[in-house]
Amino acid sequence: GNSVTQMEGPVTLSEEAFLTINCTYTATGYPSLFWYVQYPGEGLQLLLKATKADDKGSNKGFEATYRKETTSFHLEKGSVQVSDSAVYFCALSDRGFNKFYFGSGTKLNVKP
Amino acid sequence: NAGVTQTPKFQVLKTGQSMTLQCAQDMNHEYMSWYRQDPGMGLRLIHYSVGAGITDQGEVPNGYNVSRSTTEDFPLRLLSAAPSQTSVYFCASSTLAGYNYEQYFGPGTRLTVT
Repeated sequence: GNSVTQMEGPVTLSEEAFLTINCTYTATGYPSLFWYVQYPGEGLQLLLKATKADDKGSNKGFEATYRKETTSFHLEKGSVQVSDSAVYFCALSDRGFNKFYFGSGTKLNVKP
Repeated sequence: NAGVTQTPKFQVLKTGQSMTLQCAQDMNHEYMSWYRQDPGMGLRLIHYSVGAGITDQGEVPNGYNVSRSTTEDFPLRLLSAAPSQTSVYFCASSTLAGYNYEQYFGPGTRLTVT
């Protein structure tokens, strides 16, 4: 079946530190992969996506590369800001069925 | 362009009461879905629809009912509320064109059942 596993949080970093949030997946076909971000009290917003192996998604300084050989889609940012504090969700969509599978979310706290 | 809208934002119910959470989208998306978000469990799919007149169950459908009479609207009905249904509910939509499948989320409804 399909599933997504994320590293547990919370992750606490100082401003300008390097961020990695690990995400691995299990899928029966060739999924598309996504990172969503949820700010306090709000819905989920798409942060970045990748639709095939070796694609790199990027947005607002965040990056993630679709690694088929390691079934991973780790989120990285070189220098985090306080405004990046949020919950981050890794997700995959199963082509042909259009179902989304979400990880449990990783809360990021960035301190000044 | 309002995107995905949900009403109400907050709701308190007593055990056994019924209610409908409303969801509407103005992007002409074929696919709509309902999720619940509980602490430490991420988002779990309740029901989804791939077009008007077509619905199917997700991971946690018990206690919920849906219908899709128009492309725009996808209401979620709680038949007899239970404290276990206390959660934040999100509606989402996406187009089925190509392999994009990006989902757009509403702002959520926070439901408390006492």
